[in-house]
Amino acid sequence: GESVGLHLPTLSVQEGDNSIINCAYSNSASDYFIWYKQESGKGPQFIIDIRSNMDKRQGQRVTVLLNKTVKHLSLQIAATQPGDSAVYFCAEAPPMYSGGGADGLTFGKGTHLIIQP
Amino acid sequence: DGGITQSPKYLFRKEGQNVTLSCEQNLNHDAMYWYRQDPGQGLRLIYYSQIVNDFQKGDIAEGYSVSREKKESFPLTVTSAQKNPTAFYLCATRPWGRNQPQHFGDGTRLSIL
Repeated sequence: GESVGLHLPTLSVQEGDNSIINCAYSNSASDYFIWYKQESGKGPQFIIDIRSNMDKRQGQRVTVLLNKTVKHLSLQIAATQPGDSAVYFCAEAPPMYSGGGADGLTFGKGTHLIIQP
Repeated sequence: DGGITQSPKYLFRKEGQNVTLSCEQNLNHDAMYWYRQDPGQGLRLIYYSQIVNDFQKGDIAEGYSVSREKKESFPLTVTSAQKNPTAFYLCATRPWGRNQPQHFGDGTRLSIL
């Protein structure tokens, strides 16, 4: 999950296992959430998003769960592959953003996912 | 993202020097953003722009300036007033409409000589 400080939380999983990456968000008014994947030296890549009127959304091999009661997001990756190794960020958007405004996103500090062969 | 080009990939700044980072997009997206990323940290918002000739400060705008003269371009200048400029700078765009994710370029890494 996310934490304060210079060291990224690390999650190490075996290839083929499922991965679960957690994120606590800060603003109870946020109503749109995004997960990004960032490989070394590259920009973040969009994975999946979810609106606050949903509690689950599925994509290809990924599922995002949203628990608004405790302000918690999780990203589940099924059958983890070596190409999934990266840093994963959650981002939250304020109501003005999700309503079409240009406000920026607020990012968590990221979790480093390491795949063991 | 293929539609967002940041240049240069690496940039070095001398003391007292201003440097400009380029961000060009061909996605026809309205909103553009600049973020700063420090090692082991998330992204922090520097400036953003919703339309041409309009931009707003983000959370850490001090020591930076931007312009938006064309829809396709949103250059960031790191001025000499920014005392700790070493970081990875990311440009993002977003299409108009509700609940749209931002899309990112591949960044410029700025270092001090």
